[in-house]
Amino acid sequence: NAGVTQTPKFRVLKTGQSMTLLCAQDMNHEYMYWYRQDPGMGLRLIHYSVGEGTTAKGEVPDGYNVSRLKKQNFLLGLESAAPSQTSVYFCASRQTGTGYKGEQFFGPGTRLTVL
Amino acid sequence: GENVEQHPSTLSVQEGDSAVIKCTYSDSASNYFPWYKQELGKRPQLIIDIRSNVGEKKDQRIAVTLNKTAKHFSLHITETQPEDSAVYFCAASVVTGGGNKLTFGTGTQLKVEL
Repeated sequence: NAGVTQTPKFRVLKTGQSMTLLCAQDMNHEYMYWYRQDPGMGLRLIHYSVGEGTTAKGEVPDGYNVSRLKKQNFLLGLESAAPSQTSVYFCASRQTGTGYKGEQFFGPGTRLTVL
Repeated sequence: GENVEQHPSTLSVQEGDSAVIKCTYSDSASNYFPWYKQELGKRPQLIIDIRSNVGEKKDQRIAVTLNKTAKHFSLHITETQPEDSAVYFCAASVVTGGGNKLTFGTGTQLKVEL
C-alpha cells in the first residue's frame, strides 16, 4: 500500500494564479483532511470530508475550495493564489467505525510558494 | 472551538535524560489526544495516543498522561536518544461524529545533545 500520497511535492506560483493539489489514499478511509503548516503555528485544518461527495470547512478555509468526487481522492484548489498561502500543505485520512482509534495518516506534504 | 496550548516551544536535553512536553485543551468534550513526531522535511507520524477513559499510557520509552479535570496532558520521553530530536505536536479531538477534527498545538522542537 502506498498509504497517503500528494501531488505535486513542490510548486511555485505567482500571485493570482490557480492550482489544484491532489491527495490520494489507498486505505479505503472515509475521512480525509487538508492542513496547512506554517512556522510556529502547528497544523491548521483547512477543509475536511467525512465521505465521498461531502466537504466541510475547517479552521482556515478562506481562499481554498475542495472536492471529493471519489472516495480515494481529495482535491484542494486555490483559485487566486496569494503570498499568504505560502505554506506546506498536508493531506491526511482516517478510518472510521467501531474499533478504530482516531489516528490520522498523513501524506508527505506539498511545499507551495506564492510570489 | 477547541484551543490547544503547548509548552515549551523548544527543549534541549542531554542524551539519556528525560523530556516532558505539556499541553492544555479547552473543550471538555475532547476525548482523544494523540502525539505526533515530525522530523525535518517529513510528514507528522503518530507516536502515541490516549483516550479520555485512560489516565496514562506507556509504550517503551514514551508515555502520555492525561488529567481530564485540569484539561491537560503530557508526553514523557525517557532515556532520550539523538534520534528523538524532532518537532513534537500534541492534538485534541472528539472521536464521535463531527469528522474527528484534530486541533494541534504549536509544536515543541526537541533537541537531544550528545
